[in-house]
Amino acid sequence: SQTIHQWPATLVQPVGSPLSLECTVEGTSNPNLYWYRQAAGRGLQLLFYSVGIGQISSEVPQNLSASRPQDRQFILSSKKLLLSDSGFYLCAWSRSFGELFFGEGSRLTVL
Amino acid sequence: AQTVTQSQPEMSVQEAETVTLSCTYDTSESDYYLFWYKQPPSRQMILVIRQEAYKQQNATENRFSVNFQKAAKSFSLKISDSQLGDAAMYFCAYRTPRGSQGNLIFGKGTKLSVKP
Repeated sequence: SQTIHQWPATLVQPVGSPLSLECTVEGTSNPNLYWYRQAAGRGLQLLFYSVGIGQISSEVPQNLSASRPQDRQFILSSKKLLLSDSGFYLCAWSRSFGELFFGEGSRLTVL
Repeated sequence: AQTVTQSQPEMSVQEAETVTLSCTYDTSESDYYLFWYKQPPSRQMILVIRQEAYKQQNATENRFSVNFQKAAKSFSLKISDSQLGDAAMYFCAYRTPRGSQGNLIFGKGTKLSVKP
């Protein structure tokens, strides 16, 4: 069966520091991969998606970047965090059709 | 552009009773998917139920069922015999096979409380 894991679960970082959130999928090959952000009391906003290694599409211009160095690995990064980057980040995978499957989420607090 | 609207920010139901959460969407596509996701306090998004637009029959998963009205672009979720563990945020979501590689478009969510 397929599983998805992301880490760290919780992160507290100062403004201006770098960020790296990692997501891996097991039990499937060539998945679509997604990074979403959920601000407090709001819905989910798609940040990045990827259909293959090295293929990244950005939905919202921002302080963040994503990379897919391996088929089932998706990384969300920032060189310098802003206060507005605080939120709950969710990684997800899907086939080319049907539902998305989400990871456990990462809570980022920027101070 | 496709949009998903959940008009009920909060709902409350008595344990063992039935509650219906509303969702409407706007699209010009004829082929798409609709989902209900549950997000408990642990924050992980969990798929509750899915509906393919080409299927006329409403999807059912145990105590969860949907009322899919394609012409009206309505997709409501009915929870029967509500349990305390059903308390969570519920998100309605839409997905088209095309565009953004099948990105999910979410509504803003409905917070469901279950009273013992």
